[in-house]
Amino acid sequence: EAGVAQSPRYKIIEKRQSVAFWCNPISGHATLYWYQQILGQGPKLLIQFQNNGVVDDSQLPKDRFSAERLKGVDSTLKIQPAKLEDSAVYLCASSWGLLNTEAFFGQGTRLTVV
Amino acid sequence: ELKVEQNPLFLSMQEGKNYTIYCNYSTTSDRLYWYRQDPGKSLESLFVLLSNGAVKQEGRLMASLDTKARLSTLHITAAVHDLSATYFCAVDMTYSGGGADGLTFGKGTHLIIQP
Repeated sequence: EAGVAQSPRYKIIEKRQSVAFWCNPISGHATLYWYQQILGQGPKLLIQFQNNGVVDDSQLPKDRFSAERLKGVDSTLKIQPAKLEDSAVYLCASSWGLLNTEAFFGQGTRLTVV
Repeated sequence: ELKVEQNPLFLSMQEGKNYTIYCNYSTTSDRLYWYRQDPGKSLESLFVLLSNGAVKQEGRLMASLDTKARLSTLHITAAVHDLSATYFCAVDMTYSGGGADGLTFGKGTHLIIQP
């Protein structure tokens, strides 16, 4: 079974530029999550999708971050404009969507904002 | 706001020794997860604990959950170098309602096992 795919693996941008990350979840998984992991910390949930609808985006900085999951499969996370403090690994995870099921994580995209 | 605290945050131990990592959380939840992360890698699921008193074991690792105390433990028996990694516990936010079940993670325990 193929895992959660993310691209790119690494990205370096200057502050105030924009950037986008892509995620392809495990086939059949209805729920998709984006997490931000700052160096030395645990991942922090940014947004959760159930199919193509947003379930929870309470921790997403909506003034600069946006995410979409058109057609309920792939998802993109965008930052515009980026700040230095956005430097982190952005992890995508997916699950079947039923309660009590575990989430599987992708390899992540390491973003460095200079 | 759900808070998850792990201790210790750093642990250096010798091979063959036993040790326990503790995970406390602040609000009601019946679901707790343990993940392993190697440097530069993603998160690998170790255990899913779904009820009070749940105990799961895999090799030298054993995890337990006490929902009344809001405490989970990850016990390492006769540690080996290959277990060196960062271990995270995470609690889901199902009780926030609306179908949201994203995870709140602890800060992680950075474990180094020396030969």
